[in-house]
Amino acid sequence: AQSVTQPDIHITVSEGASLELRCNYSYGATPYLFWYVQSPGQGLQLLLKYFSGDTLVQGIKGFEAEFKRSQSSFNLRKPSVHWSDAAEYFCAVGSGGSYIPTFGRGTSLIVHP
Amino acid sequence: KAGVTQTPRYLIKTRGQQVTLSCSPISGHRSVSWYQQTPGQGLQFLFEYFSETQRNKGNFPGRFSGRQFSNSRSEMNVSTLELGDSALYLCASSELGSTDTQYFGPGTRLTVL
Repeated sequence: AQSVTQPDIHITVSEGASLELRCNYSYGATPYLFWYVQSPGQGLQLLLKYFSGDTLVQGIKGFEAEFKRSQSSFNLRKPSVHWSDAAEYFCAVGSGGSYIPTFGRGTSLIVHP
Repeated sequence: KAGVTQTPRYLIKTRGQQVTLSCSPISGHRSVSWYQQTPGQGLQFLFEYFSETQRNKGNFPGRFSGRQFSNSRSEMNVSTLELGDSALYLCASSELGSTDTQYFGPGTRLTVL
């Protein structure tokens, strides 16, 4: 069965600092990988996704993620965090064919001014 | 295009009652998926409907059911409510469903007393 681990429950960064959110997955074949963001009282918004091809994926809001098969990881990065980036971030893995996603438990990002 | 809408946004029910939640997908989207989000279990996939047929189902009891209409609008029903059913129920739509980008609604907050 597929699974996703986000090791960090909370991360605190200063505005303007760089950010890396970790995501590790367990899945036998090549997974479909996603990062979503959820602001308080909102639904989820897709930041980026990886299906195949270039392992460095660019997303919205200046985010990027790198798929590393050898490490079973799909970490999310941003070079300079803005206060508006404070939110909950979810990594998800989907299986090929029928897309039934499995989500990580989320990482709460706190941004200090 | 208008986004995914969910009604009602907030709902309070008592144990044993049943509830119906509604989701209107983005125009042209044929796939609608439902998720349950709780602090304890995180985000969990309930089911996916595509062109009025249930295509995938998560690991939830039979008290949770859904349907999709010819206009792609979807409803989910929970019968014999339990306290543990208190959650944010999210609906997401996509054009194709499988491996496609999903767009989430703001959710329905269900409280079971």
